[in-house]
Amino acid sequence: RKEVEQDPGPFNVPEGATVAFNCTYSNSASQSFFWYRQDCRKEPKLLMSVYSSGNEDGRFTAQLNRASQYISLLIRDSKLSDSATYLCVVRPGNQFYFGTGTSLTVIP
Amino acid sequence: DTEVTQTPKHLVMGMTNKKSLKCEQHMGHRAMYWYKQKAKKPPELMFVYSYEKLSINESVPSRFSPECPNSSLLNLHLHALQPEDSALYLCASSQLDSEQFFGPGTRLTVL
Repeated sequence: RKEVEQDPGPFNVPEGATVAFNCTYSNSASQSFFWYRQDCRKEPKLLMSVYSSGNEDGRFTAQLNRASQYISLLIRDSKLSDSATYLCVVRPGNQFYFGTGTSLTVIP
Repeated sequence: DTEVTQTPKHLVMGMTNKKSLKCEQHMGHRAMYWYKQKAKKPPELMFVYSYEKLSINESVPSRFSPECPNSSLLNLHLHALQPEDSALYLCASSQLDSEQFFGPGTRLTVL
């Protein structure tokens, strides 16, 4: 069983749409959770950490459900510049486990 | 300074060459990582150094040899690579209980 499962998409949405990504993780001892964004041929960049109480950064909201072992990312009012691959990352201990990434294309 | 630097940006090498990839961070992070990433796949962990000691080696072939000369530097020595080793090689660093920061990567092509 994979450590982290993520729907690879692709998601093609119009500008202004709301889109949500989910990941599930298998290790219940995981303590830290993150969403990274990766543009084509670039390195992953931290989008936001995910906290137990949920957290918001502008148009982006991250949620953690420990009971069901999943994390989510909600993007509101999608912009063309949001087009990228979004990677969920789970950290139990000193290792980071990546989901397969979800490809998002925002269409004019 | 939240930057991880990597050199070179691009590298083309033959199967008999020896080359090295370099990574540097000045954030005081005590964990450093090497990843390999193929197109349309997530980063695949190769090695983890914690307090300058190799703590994880994900069954990587011996033609890849990591080295951590000090707490800021991480090298990856390459020798007798195969064409299937062509990929983006990413270095990252982190504190022991927080997020990773990635360098821009070295795009390696093995001929």
